[in-house]
Amino acid sequence: AQRVTQPEKLLSVFKGAPVELKCNYSYSGSPELFWYVQYSRQRLQLLLRHISRESIKGFTADLNKGETSFHLKKPFAQEEDSAMYYCALRAGTYKYIFGTGTRLKVLA
Amino acid sequence: DAGVIQSPRHEVTEMGQEVTLRCKPISGHDYLFWYRQTMMRGLELLIYFNNNVPIDDSGMPEDRFSAKMPNASFSTLKIQPSEPRDSAVYFCASSLTSGAGETQYFGPGTRLLVL
Repeated sequence: AQRVTQPEKLLSVFKGAPVELKCNYSYSGSPELFWYVQYSRQRLQLLLRHISRESIKGFTADLNKGETSFHLKKPFAQEEDSAMYYCALRAGTYKYIFGTGTRLKVLA
Repeated sequence: DAGVIQSPRHEVTEMGQEVTLRCKPISGHDYLFWYRQTMMRGLELLIYFNNNVPIDDSGMPEDRFSAKMPNASFSTLKIQPSEPRDSAVYFCASSLTSGAGETQYFGPGTRLLVL
């Protein structure tokens, strides 16, 4: 079965603390994984994709095929990181499967 | 470019009424996606089109839902008759054909409330 699991609906951390948003996937093929973010009153937008191996706004995510995970991490959370985060799997040519999302709240 | 445009932004209707949601993709994008967002199920893909042709509608919940793309710049998602459980935010997104890792560009969404 093709599935993306984000176990936490809400994650609250203090400013300056490390952040890890969990994402696990189930897919029989070679996975392509993404993180999308939705800030308050803004559109859902791409944050990063695993094939780019990039760091965006201090966030990184490493694909771990052994653990079928693609956790999003940031060493020091900032208040402006507060948003809804979705992990997504591209299953098939253009079919995307999104997780249920995790709301990150960074407390002052 | 104004990005993906959706209308209306908010819709309140009564159970049993027909609802039509509209989407204008980014010019030149050849893929268009309709998603539904709920608290319980997150973001679900309903259907997607390539060059105006529906490719995969396996996510459409039931026959009350239908989607069309009469041309490259316009798509509709229709619910007839609507039910309270259809209340959600409906997103349209578009993208370009390319290799791996193509980005989807999302519209602002239509917040639907069925009473």
